[in-house]
Amino acid sequence: QKEVEQDPGPLSVPEGAIVSLNCTYSNSAFQYFMWYRQYSRKGPELLMYTYSSGNKEDGRFTAQVDKSSKYISLFIRDSQPSDSATYLCAPLAAGGTSYGKLTFGQGTILTVHP
Amino acid sequence: SQTIHQWPATLVQPVGSPLSLECTVEGTSNPNLYWYRQAAGRGLQLLFYSVGIGQISSEVPQNLSASRPQDRQFILSSKKLLLSDSGFYLCAWSRLGGERSPLHFGNGTRLTVT
Repeated sequence: QKEVEQDPGPLSVPEGAIVSLNCTYSNSAFQYFMWYRQYSRKGPELLMYTYSSGNKEDGRFTAQVDKSSKYISLFIRDSQPSDSATYLCAPLAAGGTSYGKLTFGQGTILTVHP
Repeated sequence: SQTIHQWPATLVQPVGSPLSLECTVEGTSNPNLYWYRQAAGRGLQLLFYSVGIGQISSEVPQNLSASRPQDRQFILSSKKLLLSDSGFYLCAWSRLGGERSPLHFGNGTRLTVT
């Protein structure tokens, strides 16, 4: 079993739709949870960063973590064509030996069409 | 503000040729540095990380090596490239300690080995 599982999609939605992107993980040591957005031929950029369970909202984006079920989600409201990208989840284990090494999901390819 | 530079953006090399990819970070001191590789349709795989000058840890045994000759410079090398070395190489940095710090990526080098 992979440490982080993410449906690669592709996912295609109309402009204005609510998008739900999800990941599951197996390592109980993961305490910090990040979502990255990657445009074609570019490096990933940090989108959301949350700690432990709960919700975090930033504009049209909401990150949700359920540690009891090892499930993390990213919701995009009022999706725009500019949101078309690959979305990568990346949990991080706490502790000094992690050295910030992220384990990435495969990424979900999202297309928002006008 | 911090910035990370990678070059070249695109590279085509024949099998058996050497490789040198360079990454520099500006605006921060003593960063943790990372090399990731992203194969087509797959997630990011951590290759090397460094917590200080001359300190390199390898995550995956392979045909590549890394060096950190200066605090904010990270180099990925190979003496003889293989076809399987083709991919998208990404350099990233995080704050010293790194346990709770997200990674920040450069825009990558797309390497094609022919």
